[in-house]
Amino acid sequence: DAGVTQSPTHLIKTRGQQVTLRCSPKSGHDTVSWYQQALGQGPQFIFQYYEEEERQRGNFPDRFSGHQYPNYSSELNVNALLLGDSALYLCAVGGGTSYNEQFFGPGTRLTVL
Amino acid sequence: QKEVEQDPGPLSVPEGAIVSLNCTYSNSAFQYFMWYRQYSRKGPELLMYTYSSGNKEDGRFTAQVDKSSKYISLFIRDSQPSDSATYLCARGDTGANSKLTFGKGITLSVRP
Repeated sequence: DAGVTQSPTHLIKTRGQQVTLRCSPKSGHDTVSWYQQALGQGPQFIFQYYEEEERQRGNFPDRFSGHQYPNYSSELNVNALLLGDSALYLCAVGGGTSYNEQFFGPGTRLTVL
Repeated sequence: QKEVEQDPGPLSVPEGAIVSLNCTYSNSAFQYFMWYRQYSRKGPELLMYTYSSGNKEDGRFTAQVDKSSKYISLFIRDSQPSDSATYLCARGDTGANSKLTFGKGITLSVRP
């Protein structure tokens, strides 16, 4: 997992609730991207943060928001949870010494009931 | 047409076989390509990364890119049971750390 940590490992929420997921890159990686991976599918890009700003965004609604801190760690927030938000949420880090390579964390498995 | 399409699976081979995994992409702007391996309930692990046409070899793994036909392949020689996993191809746009677009993934099982 290239030293990328994500928390929590698993999470169970009910519809309508809000959730915050966290990602901490190892040193040398200043760019954090978030992906959603539904069961049996490839990861889908949510957004990317660099220098505490959202740099790119995929086709996800405004219910999905994020933040990056000065130490490059990042949060993904999802409001008004829907059943369809159940997935593995992955953060990928890059930048710094890894120009185009992106390394994924172990993910947070979110279940919405 | 999806931006990255991957051959459907699952794929089952005997130990020692040569495995060929294939993807096609539709956007000529794609500049670099990756192969990730994902074990069950784990995050994807970067296997190979290439940005030019031709072959790139790393141990038992060879990544092949043909930009003229928009085709990417991963070959695994002397496959091992530990290679059993889901393999994801991905492409990146121009620029450092651009978003990655993934194929659906193919699950490989290597039988002892």
